[in-house]
Amino acid sequence: QQQVRQSPQSLTVWEGETAILNCSYENSAFDYFPWYQQFPGEGPALLISILSVSNKKEDGRFTIFFNKREKKLSLHIADSQPGDSATYFCAAKGGGADRLTFGKGTQLIIQP
Amino acid sequence: EAAVTQSPRNKVAVTGGKVTLSCNQTNNHNNMYWYRQDTGHGLRLIHYSYGAGSTEKGDIPDGYKASRPSQENFSLILELATPSQTSVYFCASGDGTGIEQYFGPGTRLTVL
Repeated sequence: QQQVRQSPQSLTVWEGETAILNCSYENSAFDYFPWYQQFPGEGPALLISILSVSNKKEDGRFTIFFNKREKKLSLHIADSQPGDSATYFCAAKGGGADRLTFGKGTQLIIQP
Repeated sequence: EAAVTQSPRNKVAVTGGKVTLSCNQTNNHNNMYWYRQDTGHGLRLIHYSYGAGSTEKGDIPDGYKASRPSQENFSLILELATPSQTSVYFCASGDGTGIEQYFGPGTRLTVL
């Protein structure tokens, strides 16, 4: 049972465009949603996160939009740069647990 | 300097052999995790630990054992390696809040 789903599996956008990565979840107990960024040959690293009490979180060019009713969230990367090319994982935590449940990831390619 | 290190970085093993993957963290975190990453599956939790002497089963523990002899060290043990365990393995540490996990650089394991 996949509790965190991501789409698309792969995404290519031109430099300067906004990339939109989608995530949905099933467990209503999830209340914290981090996004991790992974470059080839490296481990994932926390990029940005949001709590379920918020509907938006911004950090520079990166913005999370969260819809609790629909159990959906999205990561928007504005003014995409070739250096943003990476795999992005949506994750979720909740119910008092300290473990994360990860989605399968979206591979993002920024074309110069 | 890197706070989570893994060794070896690459390993080739034979079917039926014993494999030990090691992880060391200098974050002084209580929690440590072992994941495997496969194309199409994202990050899946194998075992985790709340502190020295503690090990817990994750989502896919079959065929793996874990050992946490100290705060700093967490090992993943494959007693009888199989080709299906060919993967990239990541270790991570966390402070127990679940807010952020810090990942190591990964170990690429090939079982022939």
